[in-house]
Amino acid sequence: GALVYQYPRRTICKSGTSMRMECQAVGFQATSVAWYRQSPQKTFELIALSTVNSAIKYEQNFTQEKFPISHPNLSFSSMTVLNAYLEDRGLYLCGAGQGATEQFFGPGTRLTVL
Amino acid sequence: GEKVEQHESTLSVREGDSAVINCTYTDTASSYFPWYKQEAGKSLHFVIDIRSNVDRKQSQRLIVLLDKKAKRFSLHITATQPEDSAIYFCAASRNNAGAKLTFGGGTRLTVRP
Repeated sequence: GALVYQYPRRTICKSGTSMRMECQAVGFQATSVAWYRQSPQKTFELIALSTVNSAIKYEQNFTQEKFPISHPNLSFSSMTVLNAYLEDRGLYLCGAGQGATEQFFGPGTRLTVL
Repeated sequence: GEKVEQHESTLSVREGDSAVINCTYTDTASSYFPWYKQEAGKSLHFVIDIRSNVDRKQSQRLIVLLDKKAKRFSLHITATQPEDSAIYFCAASRNNAGAKLTFGGGTRLTVRP
């Protein structure tokens, strides 16, 4: 079956430092990978969408300078949160899709910023 | 851009009753509408979806209705059980791959024994 792994599952970083999180698709080819953030008590916001053979598209309020993403192949993607501050805390979800199928979500990386 | 509104932020029902969660969307080009469940401290779990070529879909106790004219869709959970208690999120996307989802604000469903 199709599975999406994310690691680390939980991480704590000091304010102003950076933190990298990874997403791996197993059992299917992730032609698109979307990164979302759920801030405390809020819904899920799309950060950026990466599609193989296309440029990564960032949503309003999110930039490549702050959230650089790598999607080097059809099974792996990573995202870094640079200079993390309190407002960056939350659950970061990776959603991977293949063609016209549903999107599979990983368990998320929960980021705490001290 | 697309905006998805989830009308009930909380919903409480008695075990065995039905629960209905309603969502509206703004983008007429949206064609894929999945529902997800989030249990306490956990990630999203896919529940059911509907695409714009149909107006009703059922999977066991779950029914999804889509009214394209009103830009409204709803999740009906019949014969609710305590384990149905969770936060439910509706979402909308322009393409069937659901690669770029816009989520509603979530509905906290509590099923009372």
